[in-house]
Amino acid sequence: GAVVSQHPSRVICKSGTSVKIECRSLDFQATTMFWYRQFPKQSLMLMATSNEGSKATYEQGVEKDKFLINHASLTLSTLTVTSAHPEDSSFYICSARVRTSGGASETQYFGPGTRLLVL
Amino acid sequence: GESVGLHLPTLSVQEGDNSIINCAYSNSASDYFIWYKQESGKGPQFIIDIRSNMDKRQGQRVTVLLNKTVKHLSLQIAATQPGDSAVYFCAELGGSYIPTFGRGTSLIVHP
Repeated sequence: GAVVSQHPSRVICKSGTSVKIECRSLDFQATTMFWYRQFPKQSLMLMATSNEGSKATYEQGVEKDKFLINHASLTLSTLTVTSAHPEDSSFYICSARVRTSGGASETQYFGPGTRLLVL
Repeated sequence: GESVGLHLPTLSVQEGDNSIINCAYSNSASDYFIWYKQESGKGPQFIIDIRSNMDKRQGQRVTVLLNKTVKHLSLQIAATQPGDSAVYFCAELGGSYIPTFGRGTSLIVHP
């Protein structure tokens, strides 16, 4: 099956610093990538939808200036948490929607997640 | 038995038993549903899906039932194994194909 990778898998940073998380589709092109956040023992909450070459669409309540998303190619999206604070500590998961010859598919593949701890 | 924890309901079963995990979805316009398995510290894995024109779909050891009248999904796992221990999420999708995840159920399988 299709593989989505995330880097780093875990990161610890000091409060006030910025952290960049990469999401790559390894063996397919992704029309759209999605970023989710998951707090312990809770469900995945969609943060934003990222289309290659265009601005991301953020969900209500998600600060676009704090969570910068860049989708530079059909295989790479990055999420930068700017001026991170302890309350940003969470599990960040990306997913990628497969691009097919017939257009966008509903099939999504999830990355393994990135654990962010802000001290 | 099943219990509701602070955030995630939990289902505890013995190895070899059948497990039934339930999910209520919210949007009657949703026409595609997916069950995901999430092991600790990992991303969700696709298990099985079902479209709204079906009420049952079977996979290997898993069956999904859909009741559109009451907006209810269930995932049945036959002969549950310790490796099935994980959190299970249902997700509903509409025309945008962006999944909205349900609350999740923690399945604990005792050997």
